[in-house]
Amino acid sequence: LAKTTQPISMDSYEGQEVNITCSHNNIATNDYITWYQQFPSQGPRFIIQGYKTKVTNEVASLFIPADRKSSTLSLPRVSLSDTAVYYCLVEGRALTFGSGTRLQVQP
Amino acid sequence: DAGITQSPRYKITETGRQVTLMCHQTWSHSYMFWYRQDLGHGLRLIYYSAAADITDKGEVPDGYVVSRSKTENFPLTLESATRSQTSVYFCASSEEGRGGNTIYFGEGSWLTVV
Repeated sequence: LAKTTQPISMDSYEGQEVNITCSHNNIATNDYITWYQQFPSQGPRFIIQGYKTKVTNEVASLFIPADRKSSTLSLPRVSLSDTAVYYCLVEGRALTFGSGTRLQVQP
Repeated sequence: DAGITQSPRYKITETGRQVTLMCHQTWSHSYMFWYRQDLGHGLRLIYYSAAADITDKGEVPDGYVVSRSKTENFPLTLESATRSQTSVYFCASSEEGRGGNTIYFGEGSWLTVV
């Protein structure tokens, strides 16, 4: 199973760009990289997904280097409402989540 | 579009009792999952199912039983609840188990075992 490692927590201020990096050294050829966001008392929800290089949507960007052993979620100009836990998921036979990164955005 | 629904949303039960958490999805997704999330911690996979009548263990299956007689339902049973099973339980579904598919989560079931 591909195991992921993320920072436990990060702090930022409103308007700043936040980059959260996830390490997944044992990623398999067929695995995609997906990021989820979880607010308190809610289930996680999909943010972005990629296989290689760069993916961008209306919420975030995902950067994946050529060796695919890590990925970086980039949140542009964060706001207070981006305070949440962010999970990096590398799909395997059993879809296991890591502990996530707790992002705290300050005014 | 109802999506994925869990019931009950909140449950208090006593040690040793059997408890069943229900999960229903309206998308006809092949895969369904049960996760538990202890306060302040990440998600841990309990069981998952690739299709009706096919289930498999996740990271923390002990003390839990699942069944999947119909594609849309995936109940989770705690045969004899223990205090260590106090947690938030999330049901989820996806079209496939891998390969670029998104997992959709329910709102969670808060279970307290006293």
